[in-house]
Parts: sequence; C-alpha cells; structure tokens
Amino acid sequence: GAGVSQTPSNKVTEKGKYVELRCDPISGHTALYWYRQSLGQGPEFLIYFQGTGAADDSGLPNDRFFAVRPEGSVSTLKIQRTERGDSAVYLCASSLTGLLTDTQYFGPGTRLTVL
Amino acid sequence: AQSVTQLDSQVPVFEEAPVELRCNYSSSVSVYLFWYVQYPNQGLQLLLKYLSGSTLVKGINGFEAEFNKSQTSFHLRKPSVHISDTAEYFCAVSVNAGGTSYGKLTFGQGTILTVHP
Repeated sequence: GAGVSQTPSNKVTEKGKYVELRCDPISGHTALYWYRQSLGQGPEFLIYFQGTGAADDSGLPNDRFFAVRPEGSVSTLKIQRTERGDSAVYLCASSLTGLLTDTQYFGPGTRLTVL
Repeated sequence: AQSVTQLDSQVPVFEEAPVELRCNYSSSVSVYLFWYVQYPNQGLQLLLKYLSGSTLVKGINGFEAEFNKSQTSFHLRKPSVHISDTAEYFCAVSVNAGGTSYGKLTFGQGTILTVHP
C-alpha cells in the first residue's frame, strides 16, 4: 500500500515569503507528526495531531509556524514570513493510533531552502 | 526532559566486518527505544524497537540492539555489514509518562555508517 507522501519534495523561497508543506499520511492512521531536521542533526518534534486536533504543538518554534489537519487525514504545515534559519528538511510521520508502542512511518520529507 | 546521545557521528567500516553504533539516553521516567535508518534520498525506516521483555532486540536486515538499563544504553550491532548498509542511523526514545502518553520521538544526532569494499 501507499506510504506517507509529502509535497513538494523541494521548495525554494525568498526570505519573508509564505510557504505551505503538505503531508498525506497512510490511510486510516489517526496520528500524525511533523518533525524538522536541520543539517547534521536528528529530527526534532514540531507538532502532533490526533485526528483533527493538535494534541501537542509544543515543538513549534514560534508563532510563524502553524499546522492544520481539518479532516483528520491530510495535514498542512504553514510558515509565515520565512527566515533563512527555517531552512531544513520537514518530515511528516503517521501511526495507526498514536500509542507509544506504535510504529511511526515517515515520509521522504520536504527540503525547504530560504534564500 | 529526555535526551539521546549518539557517540559517533561517523563510523567507517570494511565490508563483512562487525559494527556497533552507540546510543545513550537520559530520562527520569521509563522509555521506549528505537533505531531508524535513513538511506540517501529516502525517508526514515524503522530498524527495530525495544518496548519491554527481552533486552536483546532483533530487527530487519540482520541488525540487533541490546537495552542496558543500568548504563542507559541501546547500542546497535551487526556481525557482518554489507555495502548496502551504508546509510545514516538514528537512535530515538519515546517517554512512557503514563496516562495520555503518545509516541513523540526524541532523536539523537545520527551516525553515518559508511561501508567500504
């Protein structure tokens, strides 16, 4: 079956612009996570959705970052007034229920470059 | 708060040699432990996980890891590596704080394994 997909695979934008990154989780997975991976680092947690609601957004770095999941499937990560420091690979993962023991399945990521 | 330290940023090894990738964690509560692999231009893929029970965990592609609670370690091993094992490996933990705990992962910095012919 289909895995987690993310679009676009690459996004180049200019400082100050607005960007949207999309994640399509595995069908039937209620839990969805966003992580950010900076160069040479491991992924860092941004936000967790259980169904349509953001159960934990403690990892979002500031109020320029926002994410939605209106129908409990596809999620969009939105970044306003992008800065060069936002350049990173943004990873999305989904799991069946969100339990600690569930396996998270990761998408290939969106590489964001802010010039 | 929990943290994960991968002690080696890069590990070069020759084909068919054994390899160990080291991972230490810190947490004030019990944790579940994971190893993920990231091949070039691909997403993270789960290699193995420790949830409970036997401290020796076997995963895919011949990898295994041993949970050592007293040393707070979860080192990854393979007795004989192949060229195709060249990738970046990430150790991760999720914290079992009970109640509404969910699978938020904290990752280490990653170890790049390069297998030479």
